[in-house]
Amino acid sequence: KQEVTQIPAALSVPEGENLVLNCSFTDSAIYNLQWFRQDPGKGLTSLLLIQSSQREQTSGRLNASLDKSSGRSTLYIAASQPGDSATYLCAVAGSARQLTFGSGTQLTVLP
Amino acid sequence: NAGVTQTPKFQVLKTGQSMTLQCAQDMNHEYMSWYRQDPGMGLRLIHYSVGAGITDQGEVPNGYNVSRSTTEDFPLRLLSAAPSQTSVYFCASSYSWTASTDTQYFGPGTRLTVL
Repeated sequence: KQEVTQIPAALSVPEGENLVLNCSFTDSAIYNLQWFRQDPGKGLTSLLLIQSSQREQTSGRLNASLDKSSGRSTLYIAASQPGDSATYLCAVAGSARQLTFGSGTQLTVLP
Repeated sequence: NAGVTQTPKFQVLKTGQSMTLQCAQDMNHEYMSWYRQDPGMGLRLIHYSVGAGITDQGEVPNGYNVSRSTTEDFPLRLLSAAPSQTSVYFCASSYSWTASTDTQYFGPGTRLTVL
């Protein structure tokens, strides 16, 4: 059974700092890995999707990497802003047609 | 496109009542799914569908039924509500499952409380 872990559970940083969020998974047989953002009381918004054959994806200040062999992914946020404050979730899509989520990292960027 | 829509946004039920959570998408997506989100546990898959007439169970299917008679709609039925079903429910869709490039699109959620 796929298990996804995100560390840390919460992170607080001053504005302007670069930061890294971590995601690890136990089964490397995946189609893709997605990073989502969730604002309080809202749904999930997809930030980046990395195919199983890719090593990284970039969108603006966000960069996500994938290392299937070690079962790890990172989300790098450059020059953080207060508007980046949210919960960030990673999820892996496996052969069982199920998206397995981590429990998220709650990010607070302090002005 | 409206994307993925869910109704209602909030619902309070008494133990033993039944209800249906509605989900619709206008993107002609084959794959649709239902998740529940509980504090500290992330999202867990309840049921999913890979096309009209085809459904399957996810990680936590007990107490829930689904059907998919059209491509657009994927309702979730609670047969006899229990306090353990108090949660936030999300519906999601994607064009297909087998394409590794498929992004999952989520609805805004339904917050359900069972007393």
